[in-house]
Amino acid sequence: EPEVTQTPSHQVTQMGQEVILRCVPISNHLYFYWYRQILGQKVEFLVSFYNNEISEKSEIFDDQFSVERPDGSNFTLKIRSTKLEDSAMYFCASRTAGYGYTFGSGTRLTVV
Amino acid sequence: GIQVEQSPPDLILQEGANSTLRCNFSDSVNNLQWFHQNPWGQLINLFYIPSGTKQNGRLSATTVATERYSLLYISSSQTTDSGVYFCAGVSGNKLTFGGGTRVLVKP
Repeated sequence: EPEVTQTPSHQVTQMGQEVILRCVPISNHLYFYWYRQILGQKVEFLVSFYNNEISEKSEIFDDQFSVERPDGSNFTLKIRSTKLEDSAMYFCASRTAGYGYTFGSGTRLTVV
Repeated sequence: GIQVEQSPPDLILQEGANSTLRCNFSDSVNNLQWFHQNPWGQLINLFYIPSGTKQNGRLSATTVATERYSLLYISSSQTTDSGVYFCAGVSGNKLTFGGGTRVLVKP
């Protein structure tokens, strides 16, 4: 069964550093997403991406965040200057029209 | 705004027992998905179910769209069923998660 692949599975970074989280969505999917889950809390929407542009973003997704689909297969989330409160599990998801969302296994980000 | 509410928040089961998890959702939700988050944090897709009933092994789900709720049934529970079950409502191009039901199945 096709999978959404995320790398790395764990990342530890110093406060103030930039991080890039990487995702390879399912190849024929057209819609891409990032979600995050702070430990013990619900899964929260960050951003949706379609046709090479952001289609919707949440209040969480401020100027510190950006997304990119640099080469037609990868989908990245960049956090420019990480804060302690950015520590969370970050999930990438993709879908095609009329079908459900498929999530990757997540990247656990720890900011110290 | 989009509302997705789950109950109960916690459930403890003896292995072999059956259970029902509920998800209520607001008018703006036009589709529904159920996930299982395993102890390693992975979100496993269970059902994509705008209406009607679907079954997959010991799990089944029913969505009654006109009454804005969905039910997830776990039959003959096993310890591997432990984890958090999320329902999530689709509205537009966004999935909104409920708060989850944490399930612990004891041997």
